Amino acid sequence: EDQVTQSPEALRLQEGESSSLNCSYTVSGLRGLFWYRQDPGKGPEFLFTLYSAGEEKEKERLKATLTKKESFLHITAPKPEDSATYLCAVLRDGGSQGNLIFGKGTKLSVKP
Amino acid sequence: DAGVTQSPTHLIKTRGQQVTLRCSPKSGHDTVSWYQQALGQGPQFIFQYYEEEERQRGNFPDRFSGHQFPNYSSELNVNALLLGDSALYLCASTLGPGARAEAFFGQGTRLTVV
Repeated sequence: EDQVTQSPEALRLQEGESSSLNCSYTVSGLRGLFWYRQDPGKGPEFLFTLYSAGEEKEKERLKATLTKKESFLHITAPKPEDSATYLCAVLRDGGSQGNLIFGKGTKLSVKP
Repeated sequence: DAGVTQSPTHLIKTRGQQVTLRCSPKSGHDTVSWYQQALGQGPQFIFQYYEEEERQRGNFPDRFSGHQFPNYSSELNVNALLLGDSALYLCASTLGPGARAEAFFGQGTRLTVV
């Protein structure tokens, strides 16, 4: 069964304390992996798309990487405004663009 | 450039009632997908509309139905509401059902069933 698992479920960091979020996936064929940020009560905001193993993307303090079984979202020197839930989603071969399988997310809290 | 817009933002309904949620896709997008997000969970795919037809459907009962209009906007209808239908309903738009580009999400409609 196709599945996306994110860990940890929650992560508390001090401002400036770097860390990584993990997204492991089991799908019949990966067409793309997506990272989204979601603030409480709001819709997911797109961060990155990764298409093949070895690919990396960066945006400000965030860097996403992809292997054949998992993806990591590295956050360097986080700030309180980075606090949010980070969602990982995969698009499978044969699935259209809208049919994303999401993990449950990692809730990140950054304390000043 | 308007992003994905959803209405209403919040809604309270009584068990057994029917509800209609609305979505306008991002300018230039023609495909709309609906997701249900329960508290503390990731979004779950309900169905997708393209060219005014339902193209794909997730594991949701027939009480959930939808429609897409010629201007690409979409509605989600839920009949015979259950308490378990309480969730954040998200609309996402893309350009074409087969593209690999990112899906853009609206702010969601918070549905509470009492």
